[in-house]
Amino acid sequence: KAGVTQTPRYLIKTRGQQVTLSCSPISGHRSVSWYQQTPGQGLQFLFEYFSETQRNKGNFPGRFSGRQFSNSRSEMNVSTLELGDSALYLCASSLARRGGRDTQYFGPGTRLTVL
Amino acid sequence: GQQLNQSPQSMFIQEGEDVSMNCTSSSIFNTWLWYKQDPGEGPVLLIALYKAGELTSNGRLTAQFGITRKDSFLNISASIPSDVGIYFCAGQYNNDMRFGAGTRLTVKP
Repeated sequence: KAGVTQTPRYLIKTRGQQVTLSCSPISGHRSVSWYQQTPGQGLQFLFEYFSETQRNKGNFPGRFSGRQFSNSRSEMNVSTLELGDSALYLCASSLARRGGRDTQYFGPGTRLTVL
Repeated sequence: GQQLNQSPQSMFIQEGEDVSMNCTSSSIFNTWLWYKQDPGEGPVLLIALYKAGELTSNGRLTAQFGITRKDSFLNISASIPSDVGIYFCAGQYNNDMRFGAGTRLTVKP
């Protein structure tokens, strides 16, 4: 079974631009979560999508948004990029099983650099 | 977000030594996960724990779900150079998932 895939792997943008990142979950996984990882802040939760609906949201500004399609693929969009948005953006998918026995599997990440 | 206390922050060990790291929290979890991350890559799942007291091994790795449900540890036996990386713990309770800051492991040949 293929793992979580993310595209693109690397991206360079300038301040003020917007960017869209894509994530394809493991086949059969219905939940997709997005994280921002920086050396100083570690892994920060952005949001989680399940059945095309945002189920959880972290503490990020509204410039960060996402969506999930009917095939569970997800996209994340960042508008009006700032230098501080430079980070590794990770996507993780899971079966979204009830009762807590739910394991997240991560993709390789998209390295975003904002100049 | 990052709300688990993971220690140590970093470790420098000799090849062949055993390693132990742990995560603690003030909250209870019903799942504990341990991941390893290489530079520029996403975290890779090592071990998943679903029951308090559970002890699970994966090759040279052993992890335990604390009986209070507020902590977990990961042991690596007979370390080898490819064990180098950052190890993260994650605790999950329903839809809430939290991560430790990571333990950076360096193995000297």
